[in-house]
Amino acid sequence: AQSVTQPDIHITVSEGASLELRCNYSYGATPYLFWYVQSPGQGLQLLLKYFSGDTLVQGIKGFEAEFKRSQSSFNLRKPSVHWSDAAEFFCAVGARHSGYALNFGKGTSLLVTP
Amino acid sequence: DAGITQSPRHKVTETGTPVTLRCHQTENHRYMYWYRQDPGHGLRLIHYSYGVKDTDKGEVSDGYSVSRSKTEDFLLTLESATSSQTSVYFCAISETTRGQETQYFGPGTRLLVL
Repeated sequence: AQSVTQPDIHITVSEGASLELRCNYSYGATPYLFWYVQSPGQGLQLLLKYFSGDTLVQGIKGFEAEFKRSQSSFNLRKPSVHWSDAAEFFCAVGARHSGYALNFGKGTSLLVTP
Repeated sequence: DAGITQSPRHKVTETGTPVTLRCHQTENHRYMYWYRQDPGHGLRLIHYSYGVKDTDKGEVSDGYSVSRSKTEDFLLTLESATSSQTSVYFCAISETTRGQETQYFGPGTRLLVL
């Protein structure tokens, strides 16, 4: 069965500092991988996705993620964090056999300090 | 926003009463999903649909049923609501682009069962 682990429940970074959110997955075949962001009281917005090809993917709002098969990871990065990036971030893995339904990590809450 | 609406957006009900949540999409997507979001759990799949009258169970389907009599509507029913079903419910659709399936989410329904 597929699963997703986000090891960090909370992360605090200073505005302007770099950010890396970790995501590890367990899946037998090549997974479809996603990062979503959720602002308080809001729905989920797709940041970026990986299906195949180039392992470094660019997303919206200046985020990028790198797929590393050898480490079963899909970490999200941003070079310089803005206060408006404070939100909850979810990593998810999808599979064709289950109607492309997503299996989510438990999320990482990002706090940005001045 | 992928043309997804959910109704109602907020609901308070009492234990033992039936509740139906509606997800409506305007773009004729084949796949639709219901997830619930709870603190510390991320999002978990309840049921999904891969076509009219074609549905399947997800990870947390106990106590829930679904129906899809039209492409555009996917209904989630709590036959007899319990306090453990207090949650935020998200509907999603899967959009196909160049053979890749990407999920987009509705705004959510906040349900409180007293």
